[in-house]
Amino acid sequence: GAVVSQHPSRVICKSGTSVKIECRSLDFQATTMFWYRQFPKQSLMLMATSNEGSKATYEQGVEKDKFLINHASLTLSTLTVTSAHPEDSSFYICSATAAGANVLTFGAGSRLTVL
Amino acid sequence: AQRVTQPEKLLSVFKGAPVELKCNYSYSGSPELFWYVQYSRQRLQLLLRHISRESIKGFTADLNKGETSFHLKKPFAQEEDSAMYYCALSSRGNNRLAFGKGNQVVVIP
Repeated sequence: GAVVSQHPSRVICKSGTSVKIECRSLDFQATTMFWYRQFPKQSLMLMATSNEGSKATYEQGVEKDKFLINHASLTLSTLTVTSAHPEDSSFYICSATAAGANVLTFGAGSRLTVL
Repeated sequence: AQRVTQPEKLLSVFKGAPVELKCNYSYSGSPELFWYVQYSRQRLQLLLRHISRESIKGFTADLNKGETSFHLKKPFAQEEDSAMYYCALSSRGNNRLAFGKGNQVVVIP
């Protein structure tokens, strides 16, 4: 079955630094990937839609300069949290789907802790 | 705007008892409704979707457009059903999902 890998699964960084999270589709070409954020005991909140070869589409209220998304290949999308602050600490999850498919495959998530 | 409401946060049921997780939505267009499940230490995975009209692991969910609901039901809960369940909505043909807050289900042996 389709597999999506996220790396790293956990990351701790200092305030003011940038952190990159990778989302890879291992056995299919993901034309579209989605990034979500999940606070403790809260639901997943869609942050942005990432289409291969084009700019990401951000949801209302999500700062595109803060959360840089790159989807340069059909198997890789990256989320960079720039100048991270403690309030950016959260669980970040990606999902991916192939062209014409309407099934999402989720990654295991990446827990970011900003000190 | 898309909105999904799951009223109960935690649901504890005895093994063999029926389970019903409520989900109501608001959406002006033509929605697709889903239930996702997350077992302990595992990633989120699709449980079922309304367009499939199928039963998965004994679970069923019927889309009621009049009541804007998509409640999840299982007549006899099993211990392995203990998990977090999320109701989600997207517009038809669009994978942008709006999730409810989720229900933690604990099945008591």
